[in-house]
Amino acid sequence: KAGVTQTPRYLIKTRGQQVTLSCSPISGHRSVSWYQQTPGQGLQFLFEYFSETQRNKGNFPGRFSGRQFSNSRSEMNVSTLELGDSALYLCASSLEGLSSGNTIYFGEGSWLTVV
Amino acid sequence: AQSVAQPEDQVNVAEGNPLTVKCTYSVSGNPYLFWYVQYPNRGLQFLLKYITGDNLVKGSYGFEAEFNKSQTSFHLKKPSALVSDSALYFCAVRATGQNFVFGPGTRLSVLP
Repeated sequence: KAGVTQTPRYLIKTRGQQVTLSCSPISGHRSVSWYQQTPGQGLQFLFEYFSETQRNKGNFPGRFSGRQFSNSRSEMNVSTLELGDSALYLCASSLEGLSSGNTIYFGEGSWLTVV
Repeated sequence: AQSVAQPEDQVNVAEGNPLTVKCTYSVSGNPYLFWYVQYPNRGLQFLLKYITGDNLVKGSYGFEAEFNKSQTSFHLKKPSALVSDSALYFCAVRATGQNFVFGPGTRLSVLP
């Protein structure tokens, strides 16, 4: 069974631009969550989607948004990029929503550099 | 609010020796506890989890962890370390209905 797939793996953007990252979950998984990883802040939860609905959201500004499609694939968007948005963005999927003991499985991540 | 502490930024151990990576947590209600490992330039890989039942949980690659409710700890252990175990280890906690909260990570270096 294929794992969580994230695209693109690496990208460089300029301040003020926007970016869209994509995540395809493990087949059969309906929950997708997104995390930002930086050396200074560690792993921080962005949001979780389950059956196309945002169920939980972390403490990030409105520039960070996401969505989930009917096939459970998810995208996250960051608008008006800032230098501090440079990070590894990780997507994770699980069978059910976060309100359970299900394990979440991570993709390889998308490395975003903002210059 | 949930929180996870990993008191050691770095753990060094000689190959063949036992290793322990420490984790303590704070959560309201019964916790779900997880360990993940991250190799350079990779995502996180699941090692093991505690949901309920036996306090000693066995996971991938020979790792195990012991849940101690009174000490609110979930330390990761391995009887004999390998050089290939060198990586960044994350402890995570989640209570029912809450998000995952990850610890800051502990870098494990296994020296040949």
